[in-house]
Amino acid sequence: AQTVTQSQPEMSVQEAETVTLSCTYDTSESDYYLFWYKQPPSRQMILVIRQEAYKQQNATENRFSVNFQKAAKSFSLKISDSQLGDAAMYFCAYSFGNEKLTFGTGTRLTIIP
Amino acid sequence: SAVISQKPSRDICQRGTSLTIQCQVDSQVTMMFWYRQQPGQSLTLIATANQGSEATYESGFVIDKFPISRPNLTFSTLTVSNMSPEDSSIYLCSAGQGGGTEAFFGQGTRLTVV
Repeated sequence: AQTVTQSQPEMSVQEAETVTLSCTYDTSESDYYLFWYKQPPSRQMILVIRQEAYKQQNATENRFSVNFQKAAKSFSLKISDSQLGDAAMYFCAYSFGNEKLTFGTGTRLTIIP
Repeated sequence: SAVISQKPSRDICQRGTSLTIQCQVDSQVTMMFWYRQQPGQSLTLIATANQGSEATYESGFVIDKFPISRPNLTFSTLTVSNMSPEDSSIYLCSAGQGGGTEAFFGQGTRLTVV
């Protein structure tokens, strides 16, 4: 069974600084998808960034980028120029084909003004 | 993209009763899922709602406790039956086209059983 591990329950960063959230996963598949979702206190899950495993190039969305290491099964999220609105729970997730999303345990990110 | 309306947003229920949560998507979607989330914790999949057939339940969840309907490609309901305080949680509906595309989420239903 696929598993997703986030080893950092909580992280904090100064506003305008850079922070990296870690995620590792386990799968026997070769073509799959990885995601980072953000959940602010409003409970609304918001997609931050998405990576297709067959693409070697790391995905980037404005201030958000990933470091995808397929052989190491690692998928970290880097947030540059952190803003107060980035404060949230961040979940790493995995899916294969039309199957469900498997979520990690989450990392609570605090932004220090 | 898809916008998901989930109702109710919160409810307080007596033990032994049932609550039905509705999930309406503003466009046709292939996949619909129901998750449970304890505050501050991760999402646990309850079941995949299949259009026109019985839902597919994850280990630890059964149809008698969590009956699910999906009559069409835009709507699903989750019922929490014979509730106990242990059922107090946030319930989230998710929908999308599958195949690694973005999954969209409702804002969740915060259920408290007293």
